[in-house]
Amino acid sequence: DTGVSQDPRHKITKRGQNVTFRCDPISEHNRLYWYRQTLGQGPEFLTYFQNEAQLEKSRLLSDRFSAERPKGSFSTLEIQRTEQGDSAMYLCAGRLGDTDTQYFGPGTRLTVL
Amino acid sequence: QKEVEQNSGPLSVPEGAIASLNCTYSDRGSQSFFWYRQYSGKSPELIMSIYSNGDKEDGRFTAQLNKASQYVSLLIRDSQPSDSATYLCAVNRNTGKLIFGQGTTLQVKP
Repeated sequence: DTGVSQDPRHKITKRGQNVTFRCDPISEHNRLYWYRQTLGQGPEFLTYFQNEAQLEKSRLLSDRFSAERPKGSFSTLEIQRTEQGDSAMYLCAGRLGDTDTQYFGPGTRLTVL
Repeated sequence: QKEVEQNSGPLSVPEGAIASLNCTYSDRGSQSFFWYRQYSGKSPELIMSIYSNGDKEDGRFTAQLNKASQYVSLLIRDSQPSDSATYLCAVNRNTGKLIFGQGTTLQVKP
């Protein structure tokens, strides 16, 4: 158990709908990362937070995507106007203090019909 | 050229054999290196991290790093069917984000 939880675990939605995912790291995870993984590929970086500050966003994160980490605790990732190409596993990872190691939550599998 | 490259496999080894998984990376400034294991439908699980040239052993797993050759490998001794999974190599940039290879699928046959 990495201490990182994600909700929901699975989400099926219709194209054009908005979806929101939540990630709850442990309190010691001062850095929180979001990745996206499609079938047969490794995870791809989307964005990360140092406490409540969003410090980097990937070019993969189009205007339809937004992420927040209010109060430096849990984080949410919202996708507006979903497209079939958004279908993927969305992974959240926490990083302890000054270490480099990231621990992943169970992921949210999104299917856009 | 991808930043982190792995042979997608599948790599098939008999039970009890040594499985050797390889990874190359392009950015010489990379500082730390990780191997994750991922079972089908699950999220990546950390196996090992390595920061310095040479070998690092943890149980049946040995990670090897050669920064001059920009090469990382993972050896799994006494492979078990339960080791069958996809193994992801990841490289950490100074910003902290991980750059992953596409993963190598390992099949251990009883």
